[in-house]
Amino acid sequence: ILNVEQSPQSLHVQEGDSTNFTCSFPSSNFYALHWYRWETAKSPEALFVMTLNGDEKKKGRISATLNTKEGYSYLYIKGSQPEDSATYLCADIKAAGNKLTFGGGTRVLVKP
Amino acid sequence: DVKVTQSSRYLVKRTGEKVFLECVQDMDHENMFWYRQDPGLGLRLIYFSYDVKMKEKGDIPEGYSVSREKKERFSLILESASTNQTSMYLCASSLPWTASNYGYTFGSGTRLTVV
Repeated sequence: ILNVEQSPQSLHVQEGDSTNFTCSFPSSNFYALHWYRWETAKSPEALFVMTLNGDEKKKGRISATLNTKEGYSYLYIKGSQPEDSATYLCADIKAAGNKLTFGGGTRVLVKP
Repeated sequence: DVKVTQSSRYLVKRTGEKVFLECVQDMDHENMFWYRQDPGLGLRLIYFSYDVKMKEKGDIPEGYSVSREKKERFSLILESASTNQTSMYLCASSLPWTASNYGYTFGSGTRLTVV
């Protein structure tokens, strides 16, 4: 894989259901993977910064895993709530790099 | 509360105008970035700066320039605005990449329309 890619582009989730989506990134020269949540009319907010293969991070009902060898990360939302509606962005940073490269985002809409 | 502040939330400019987008951060961050966000394309890096008076081109620098005279301020300049520069522009700041565990702090964005 050459670029950071996210799938799906969008998804609709019923309130209370759990969901997950994927970020794929080039595994060579990996340094860190970032996840951001971007709500409408607000600034993107950092959720997780992950660096180690096998890393798992959790913030409330949201968690993420990282596989640096195969170049993917999953973000999970447990028991989705309407306030989880946002675009979720992932981005990688390469070793000796100084900038993030973002994927296209997954837009999540939680329906009451 | 730490902040990245962008000077305008919405801006409408005419084709050919010189446009300045201003960004100020109060976190003493070394790195500052300008991204644009277009539907289906995610955030694309225009320019970044890792120190005062230092700048590096990102992935889509054509038609843009930047200025960083003070550590807290990073300006994006559209030399001659064109309609294909209509977009959402986001500024961000961060510690150096060796301390990247803390993520970027973003401004709230400037939605620029060029008519």
